[in-house]
Amino acid sequence: GQNIDQPTEMTATEGAIVQINCTYQTSGFNGLFWYQQHAGEAPTFLSYNVLDGLEEKGRFSSFLSRSKGYSYLLLKELQMKDSASYLCAVRDSNYQLIWGAGTKLIIKP
Amino acid sequence: GAGVSQTPSNKVTEKGKYVELRCDPISGHTALYWYRQSLGQGPEFLIYFQGTGAADDSGLPNDRFFAVRPEGSVSTLKIQRTERGDSAVYLCASSQSDGTGGYEQYFGPGTRLTVT
Repeated sequence: GQNIDQPTEMTATEGAIVQINCTYQTSGFNGLFWYQQHAGEAPTFLSYNVLDGLEEKGRFSSFLSRSKGYSYLLLKELQMKDSASYLCAVRDSNYQLIWGAGTKLIIKP
Repeated sequence: GAGVSQTPSNKVTEKGKYVELRCDPISGHTALYWYRQSLGQGPEFLIYFQGTGAADDSGLPNDRFFAVRPEGSVSTLKIQRTERGDSAVYLCASSQSDGTGGYEQYFGPGTRLTVT
């Protein structure tokens, strides 16, 4: 079967750095996406990785290791508005997105 | 420009009734996706359209669910004989690609369906 694993919840302090991990087992791999979802809102795109390595975009970076079936999202200089759920999604051999359950990130002052 | 819109934003219906949920994608986006999401879960794929045709409907849970996109733009998700287990947020997303490449999916605000 296909499986995406992420921690259910994480807590971090404003101004700090947090790393959210995602491991996956899917039938094929055609890219990995990270989305942010605030409570009661729709997911919004954060990053896309298809090759191994680190993609940096402002305060957010995403890393991929295809051989390990592993990715992480790194958030720096945390702000209160970063409190949200972070969803990892893998595009499989049929080019459909398989979604993790999301990691709820709680930022404390 | 306008994003993906969905109507209604909330729908409460009685068990056994029929409902229609509408999605208006971003203009020019050929790919359209329907998902449903339960609290604390990621989106669950239902169906994918490329243009007017359903390219992949493998996520529809049973034959009570059906979706159309007759002119390659607006799509309607139809649920017959609703059950309490159908209660969820139904999300629509559109993308400018055929699903390949790094094109992200843009999501609408969702329709919260509650079956009583």
